[in-house]
Amino acid sequence: IQLTQSPSSLSASVGDRVTITCRASQATGGYLAWYQQKPGKAPKLLIYAASILQSGVPSRFSGSGSGTDFSLTISSLQPEDFATYYCQQVKSYPVTFGQGTKLEIK
Amino acid sequence: QVQLQESGPGLVKPSQTLSLTCTVSGGSVITGGYSWTWLRQPAGKGLEWIGRVYTTGRTNYNPSLQSRVSISIDTSNNQFSLSLTSVTAADTAVYYCARSIDLNEYLQHWGQGSLVTVSS
Repeated sequence: IQLTQSPSSLSASVGDRVTITCRASQATGGYLAWYQQKPGKAPKLLIYAASILQSGVPSRFSGSGSGTDFSLTISSLQPEDFATYYCQQVKSYPVTFGQGTKLEIK
Repeated sequence: QVQLQESGPGLVKPSQTLSLTCTVSGGSVITGGYSWTWLRQPAGKGLEWIGRVYTTGRTNYNPSLQSRVSISIDTSNNQFSLSLTSVTAADTAVYYCARSIDLNEYLQHWGQGSLVTVSS
């Protein structure tokens, strides 16, 4: 299953609401996750099963979608949110990731 | 708190075998219900799933690497390992080990990553 994220990069300001989308080449049954990765660090799980917030992740992060179209929304950007975000499908093997969306400070 | 730590050579010669070990602390590889996974990330690029092993020893591999990869679990040392044969420069990457939150591949716990460079 191929995952295509859009946009590939995004400039935004602290306090903005941003949405990143992930489109799958076939239905994933909601078996989709979102990760945040900062430079030099391992990815961090934010959302799994399309919309379940991982424990300890701030509530400004939310996920939605079904079928082939999913989105990650950050309701009010904080300075620590500037990073690269990846979607991941676990519906079928091989597990695949989107190409990433780099969120930069405007 | 589960912690994972990759270890192994940082430099591997072309055509040789890349071998990495992931040591688990704060939890046991014997505990069922989790997936123990290897991934990699070339510099400046995205994430690639290599494969995973369950406690039972059952494995799944990425078809793009399947002919060269092997993942095994060592319950006596609380580790799991990656072996990738016939490496080329294209295998140069940061390699991560990770553990899922359940039998799905939602990866909650990650090692810090191990840079492996393939060069003569």
